[in-house]
Parts: sequence; structure tokens; C-alpha cells
Amino acid sequence: AQKITQTQPGMFVQEKEAVTLDCTYDTSDPSYGLFWYKQPSSGEMIFLIYQGSYDQQNATEGRYSLNFQKARKSANLVISASQLGDSAMYFCAMREGPTGNQFYFGTGTSLTVIP
Amino acid sequence: GAVVSQHPSRVICKSGTSVKIECRSLDFQATTMFWYRQFPKQSLMLMATSNEGSKATYEQGVEKDKFLINHASLTLSTLTVTSAHPEDSSFYICSAAGYVPQPQHFGDGTRLSIL
Repeated sequence: AQKITQTQPGMFVQEKEAVTLDCTYDTSDPSYGLFWYKQPSSGEMIFLIYQGSYDQQNATEGRYSLNFQKARKSANLVISASQLGDSAMYFCAMREGPTGNQFYFGTGTSLTVIP
Repeated sequence: GAVVSQHPSRVICKSGTSVKIECRSLDFQATTMFWYRQFPKQSLMLMATSNEGSKATYEQGVEKDKFLINHASLTLSTLTVTSAHPEDSSFYICSAAGYVPQPQHFGDGTRLSIL
């Protein structure tokens, strides 16, 4: 089974609107971390937000929030008030394992913000 | 936030040349460093994981004699592409992670073009 599944290869959103990027994960490890990264066309990977498996509250970082539903094993990224600069690839990732050395990435979602 | 420096950002060289790429964590000690390869419009493909002072763990299908990884210290890892050929042309990106539950922080990547 895929460790990280992103089912939306491409998404479009109107500027200033909110958008949700889906991510589901698969693990039997009780301790894990979930991350979202942004990759603009220039190539660098930018860390956006982190959610720990034991965290009670959903993570938020500015306009980014993570909708963590543990029972459903989903960790969707919500971007509020989209900006043109948000157009990029977005990758969901998970860190697990006894040493935390296992990182898994989804296939990514390409987000385009329309003016 | 944590900074990872990757150098060089772009390499163009002749077939048969060996190319060394450096990855440094500038403001934290990286217990683990990762090397990825990324093809256009695809997700990251993990090549190897390395811990300071020990041999790298290569993913299946990655030639360890072709892609030499050295993790000499808690802040430096190098990837050497030996006797590079045109099929080795790609975007190579490194990342570093501290202790769980820290995320990976990525370098800006190296675009390697073999003529």
C-alpha cells in the first residue's frame, strides 16, 4: 500500500479563495509526523507545516493549516486567502520508524492560483 | 528556520566526468541526510539515506558505486556521481533532518546536465 496518497494531481483556485489539498497516509506506527512542502518552479523544497501524531490540535502556520483527522488517516492542507505566489507543487510527507529515518512523500499536487 | 546549503546549484559537464555535490546543514546538527533525484513533474525519488559516520543506505536499484555518498560530519554530506553519463542528468536534491520529530529541510537542489 502507498504510504502517502495525494489524489489530486492538479488543482485550480481563484485568488483570495481558500483551497484544500488532500493527503491520506498509511502507517501502523503510533508515533509519526506529517509534513507539507511547497516546491515552486525554481525547484527548492520549502517546509510549510508539521503535525505530530500525538498533537491534539490541528497545526497552523499563517495562512496554512493542517486538517488532521487521525481516525481517517488524513492530513489535508488548507491554504486560506490564496495568492498568486502560492502556485506550485505541494507534497505531503510522513516521517516514521524507530529512529524516524523513514520519510515518505506523496506524488504531489500542482496548484495554480488564477487571478 | 533551519537552513541547508547545497552546492553547486547547476553543473554542466562532459560525459565521463565525476561530479561532487555538497550538502551542509548550516544551523543545526543533522542526524540524518537524504539524497533524492527528481525527474520533471514527478515526486522525489529517494536514492539513499546517510547517518554521520556510517555507510549510507541505498534504495533498491541505486548503484552505490555510481553514486558515492559520504557523511563526514553532522553538518556535511557529499554525493559524487562517478563517470557521469547523459542518463544521469537530473535534478538532485539533498535534505537534512535532526532528531525526531523535526522535519527534513532541503537544499535548493543541483541541476546536473551531462553532455
